[in-house]
Amino acid sequence: AQKVTQAQTEISVVEKEDVTLDCVYETRDTTYYLFWYKQPPSGELVFLIRRNSFDEQNEISGRYSWNFQKSTSSFNFTITASQVVDSAVYFCALNLYNNNDMRFGAGTRLTVKP
Amino acid sequence: DGGITQSPKYLFRKEGQNVTLSCEQNLNHDAMYWYRQDPGQGLRLIYYSQIVNDFQKGDIAEGYSVSREKKESFPLTVTSAQKNPTAFYLCASRGTVGYTFGSGTRLTVV
Repeated sequence: AQKVTQAQTEISVVEKEDVTLDCVYETRDTTYYLFWYKQPPSGELVFLIRRNSFDEQNEISGRYSWNFQKSTSSFNFTITASQVVDSAVYFCALNLYNNNDMRFGAGTRLTVKP
Repeated sequence: DGGITQSPKYLFRKEGQNVTLSCEQNLNHDAMYWYRQDPGQGLRLIYYSQIVNDFQKGDIAEGYSVSREKKESFPLTVTSAQKNPTAFYLCASRGTVGYTFGSGTRLTVV
């Protein structure tokens, strides 16, 4: 069975601080995708990144970076120099290849204070 | 612009009523999904459909029904059998990169 754990329920930081959102996943399959989504107050989930299980290369996109480590089954997300607009709920998700069941973590609510 | 449209944004249901949530996509995606979101529980899969006239139950299908008569449309009916329907409902479709989500419908039982 697949499972995604986001142990941090809520995080509060002050603007310009760096913040890391943790994600730990469980699966016996060797082929899968990992995702991060952002859910702003408006409600829709916004796609941030997809990572293939064969690609452990870390990725940076502007102020966002992702650290994928298969050895620890983790896919952590770091926001550098956080901004108020980063305030949202962030979800990590796991999807096996050719599978229609995407498993979501419980989400981490990030509040960035000015 | 391509995307997913969910309506209504807010919906109120009386005890014992069936209500239908609309989900329309113009992304030409084959697979569509319905998720339920409760506080602190992430998203749970209700139903999904990989192709027209076909759909499968997810983890929490009891009390819900769906249809897929057109590729673009995947409506969800919350029946009176669903004992705790108050939640936020998200529709999604799957493309080559990932899932695209609608903006959700917040259903409240009054």
